[in-house]
Amino acid sequence: GAVVSQHPSWVICKSGTSVKIECRSLDFQATTMFWYRQFPKQSLMLMATSNEGSKATYEQGVEKDKFLINHASLTLSTLTVTSAHPEDSSFYICSATTGTGRTEAFFGQGTRLTVV
Amino acid sequence: AQSVAQPEDQVNVAEGNPLTVKCTYSVSGNPYLFWYVQYPNRGLQFLLKYITGDNLVKGSYGFEAEFNKSQTSFHLKKPSALVSDSALYFCAVRPPASGTYKYIFGTGTRLKVLA
Repeated sequence: GAVVSQHPSWVICKSGTSVKIECRSLDFQATTMFWYRQFPKQSLMLMATSNEGSKATYEQGVEKDKFLINHASLTLSTLTVTSAHPEDSSFYICSATTGTGRTEAFFGQGTRLTVV
Repeated sequence: AQSVAQPEDQVNVAEGNPLTVKCTYSVSGNPYLFWYVQYPNRGLQFLLKYITGDNLVKGSYGFEAEFNKSQTSFHLKKPSALVSDSALYFCAVRPPASGTYKYIFGTGTRLKVLA
């Protein structure tokens, strides 16, 4: 299957700082990328949908000024957690898909963020 | 509201025995159906999907799933479980013509295969 690379795999940051997570589709062009947050022993919570070259669409309750998403090219999307707080600590996962509904999405390996 | 249900939080099965992980959905139209597996601290890996055609679809690692339209179910199965199959399994549904390609995920089922 197609490969989606997410970096870093884990990061520890101090409260009040910002952290950037990258999501790259390595062998296909991703017209749409998704960002999820997963709490321990829970399902994935969709945070936002991003399409290349346009603004991300955020799910209800997700602060767009706190979770900045940029989808600058067909192979790269970034999620920046701004002014991180301990409650932002979580497992963040990206996924990417091409432009048809029949195509499965491919997921990155996830990023474990710990804010201290 | 559209939803996906995985009624079992955990399924335990002995190695070598058949396994079933259940999924039912409440989505209008003819949605696309997917199964993914997640290992600890990893992203999701695609297993299989149903788009149209034969109700029994085969996927990776010996897994298969049966689509039942009348019961709106898409149960994941494997004839002989391996200890290495122990992981978290997610059923996902993509509503037809949603325009956004978003998934609706089930809550996940933890499969534990006992040696």
